[in-house]
Parts: sequence; C-alpha cells; structure tokens
Amino acid sequence: AAGVIQSPRHLIKEKRETATLKCYPIPRHDTVYWYQQGPGQDPQFLISFYEKMQSDKGSIPDRFSAQQFSDYHSELNMSSLELGDSALYFCASSLPGLRNTGELFFGEGSRLTVL
Amino acid sequence: GQSLEQPSEVTAVEGAIVQINCTYQTSGFYGLSWYQQHDGGAPTFLSYNGLDGLEETGRFSSFLSRSDSYGYLLLQELQMKDSASYFCAVNQAGTALIFGKGTTLSVSS
Repeated sequence: AAGVIQSPRHLIKEKRETATLKCYPIPRHDTVYWYQQGPGQDPQFLISFYEKMQSDKGSIPDRFSAQQFSDYHSELNMSSLELGDSALYFCASSLPGLRNTGELFFGEGSRLTVL
Repeated sequence: GQSLEQPSEVTAVEGAIVQINCTYQTSGFYGLSWYQQHDGGAPTFLSYNGLDGLEETGRFSSFLSRSDSYGYLLLQELQMKDSASYFCAVNQAGTALIFGKGTTLSVSS
C-alpha cells in the first residue's frame, strides 16, 4: 500500500541557511500535517492543510512557512535556520474524519541537522 | 491550552502485562489515540477511543473515561520488540493531534 513519502530523508545545513522539505500524502487523504520532533521529545504539531487550505496552526515559528499544492503534495520552508531547528520533521496525512478515527499516517521523516 | 500527562518510563519483562496511563486537560475533546515509536522511526497508530470503554486490538487494548479525562494503553504478553516509546494523543478540535511527552517502555528477557 502507498505510504506518505518525505524527501529528503536527511539534510545538513548551516545556521542562517534555508531548507525545504517535501511531503507526498497517501492518495485520497484530505489533510496533511507537519510535526517537529526534537531528540527525546514528543512530536510537536506545526501546521496542517485541508484540501490545500491551511486548517490549523500549532507552534510553527514565523521563520517557517508551508503550503499544499494542487497535486496535494506539501512543502515546509524553513529560513534563517538556527541550531535549535535540528530535529526530525514528520509529515502525516489522514483520511476524512480524523475526529472519528484518531489515525494519522506518518512518513519516515526528514532529519535536519543545523551546524 | 492542553496538557497530557503520562509516565516517562516503564520497565517490564517478557510475557508480562504493562499499563501506561494518560490523563489530559483540553479545551475540546474528540478522542484519545495511542502511537508507538521505535528509535529513529515514525510514529505508528495503535488504537483510538472516541467513546468511553475498552478497545481491543490483539495484544494491545486501550481504555477511555471521558468523565475522568483519563485513558490507558494495556500491553499484554510483552515481547522484546515492544520496547519503544508510546504516546497518547488527543484530538482536541478535530483538526490535528496533540501528543503527550511519551512513555519509554523497556522490555527485558
């Protein structure tokens, strides 16, 4: 079965650089979510999109932005990178009716290291 | 705002039963989910309770009491491969899940 695809899987950036992460959700899933997970921490919700419109916003820094495109893939853009941005970034998608299923399908994550 | 409380660590031996509790405080609530995450891996869905009561899925069961803002994950017949982090997560507004801090389960032989 198709899963959530994230790229790149690993990237290394210098402070103050920019980075872009991509996510391809499972076909027919209507919502995409971005989470940030630091070492030993829980996944922190950043932002979500429902049918290409921003649907919810969590603890996403102003330096970050995201969008969902017409083909439903999503990109997370991170600028002026800081050391503290080093983390695993997960994309997830869900079928319609998350409130009834509670099930998110996560990608394998993109590991960002800021030097 | 919201908060979820779960124990940080639990240890057990193979074949045992372990219960991971989760209490929550949220302004809205649709249900409680449980996820498993192995080191460096993606969170994977285990169970969901939208209504009070017990949900059973193989060796794993999950319980919810909305009146007590409390739930638990029960893992039976523990295996070494169950060593992982377990997160409870609330669906607060129907649009995203908010995760607890996670419980690290260590299973020894």
